[in-house]
Amino acid sequence: DADVTQTPRNRITKTGKRIMLECSQTKGHDRMYWYRQDPGLGLRLIYYSFDVKDINKGEISDGYSVSRQAQAKFSLSLESAIPNQTALYFCATSDIGWSTDTQYFGPGTRLTVL
Amino acid sequence: AQSVAQPEDQVNVAEGNPLTVKCTYSVSGNPYLFWYVQYPNRGLQFLLKYITGDNLVKGSYGFEAEFNKSQTSFHLKKPSALVSDSALYFCAVRDRDDKIIFGKGTRLHILP
Repeated sequence: DADVTQTPRNRITKTGKRIMLECSQTKGHDRMYWYRQDPGLGLRLIYYSFDVKDINKGEISDGYSVSRQAQAKFSLSLESAIPNQTALYFCATSDIGWSTDTQYFGPGTRLTVL
Repeated sequence: AQSVAQPEDQVNVAEGNPLTVKCTYSVSGNPYLFWYVQYPNRGLQFLLKYITGDNLVKGSYGFEAEFNKSQTSFHLKKPSALVSDSALYFCAVRDRDDKIIFGKGTRLHILP
């Protein structure tokens, strides 16, 4: 987990606030992902990026935006937070080529929107 | 679309007994299948994957998974469970555009 870091680890905010979650990696991977985890729903993909110039929407991108500032950094923003965005958020990375399927996850950010 | 299903929300096994966590898949073409584990307050960790070759895949921490094409299953197994195996387990499949699609997860409780 130390190769993929997320800040903050915990955040409590109010409805309507703008929130940014940050992810950094030292693995040198080109591919980065943002997921949210909700009990009983598993992990759902929000956005993913296969390189610095590539951004793609995932399964549940509405209400979220991302920025890939560099190969090592991928941030997730909630423009106007709402309570049903309360969840555990994970960043992940993967390499390209034959090992692209193995993803490396950060420790997660627990976000609570009041 | 590619998908996986984990039919059990929770599995309870006594320590020392064999364990099985079930996963079935639905894919077009050859499936690329994975198992990940999540310990409390941690991110997911890769356990093993099936791409091609032997139907029995060995992974980390003594886990293995059996790919069964006729039953479209990829069950996770371990011959002798440890209390430390208690965690949340996710089956996953690679989608057509290289995304990984995760199942809903199965919580494994190993009883001392």
